[in-house]
Amino acid sequence: GNSVTQMEGPVTLSEEAFLTINCTYTATGYPSLFWYVQYPGEGLQLLLKATKADDKGSNKGFEATYRKETTSFHLEKGSVQVSDSAVYFCALAWDKVIFGPGTSLSVIP
Amino acid sequence: DSGVTQTPKHLITATGQRVTLRCSPRSGDLSVYWYQQSLDQGLQFLIQYYNGEERAKGNILERFSAQQFPDLHSELNLSSLELGDSALYFCASSVGPVQSSYEQYFGPGTRLTVT
Repeated sequence: GNSVTQMEGPVTLSEEAFLTINCTYTATGYPSLFWYVQYPGEGLQLLLKATKADDKGSNKGFEATYRKETTSFHLEKGSVQVSDSAVYFCALAWDKVIFGPGTSLSVIP
Repeated sequence: DSGVTQTPKHLITATGQRVTLRCSPRSGDLSVYWYQQSLDQGLQFLIQYYNGEERAKGNILERFSAQQFPDLHSELNLSSLELGDSALYFCASSVGPVQSSYEQYFGPGTRLTVT
């Protein structure tokens, strides 16, 4: 069946550091891929998405590229801010959405 | 603010009881989804309704049921509650029925505690 694996957290970075959160997937068919973010005490918000191979999703300085050959959708940001502290979920959608376990990110000043 | 509302925000109840969680989707959205988020299971898709009809089913227990009403709000009913049902329950909505095509907007969640 379809599944999503993402790097275990928590991840702690200093402000302005480079961020990578790894995400790999297993899927039959041609799923869409998403990154969602959950700030403390809130529901999930869509951060970015990609619907086909080689698409790059980007938003608020975050970006991820749909890599079919490596079945990956890694999230990157060049310079993180304290306000980026949250839990990040990688997800794939085919007949239904499957979320990864989430990666908690803390950014310290 | 996503435009999706959920009530109540918190719910504390005893084992064996039954509760109803309510969700109102964003204006114009026809699909409603229910998710359960717990520390050990992560975020699990439970069920989707589209325009009043069940569209997709995930890991929903037989003790749980849902429906979507003509005004498009949805209710999730949880019965014979067990300690393990304690979790955050999220509702989400989207415009269309196909999960791979339409962005889902999440509500703030209902935190259920079963004692």
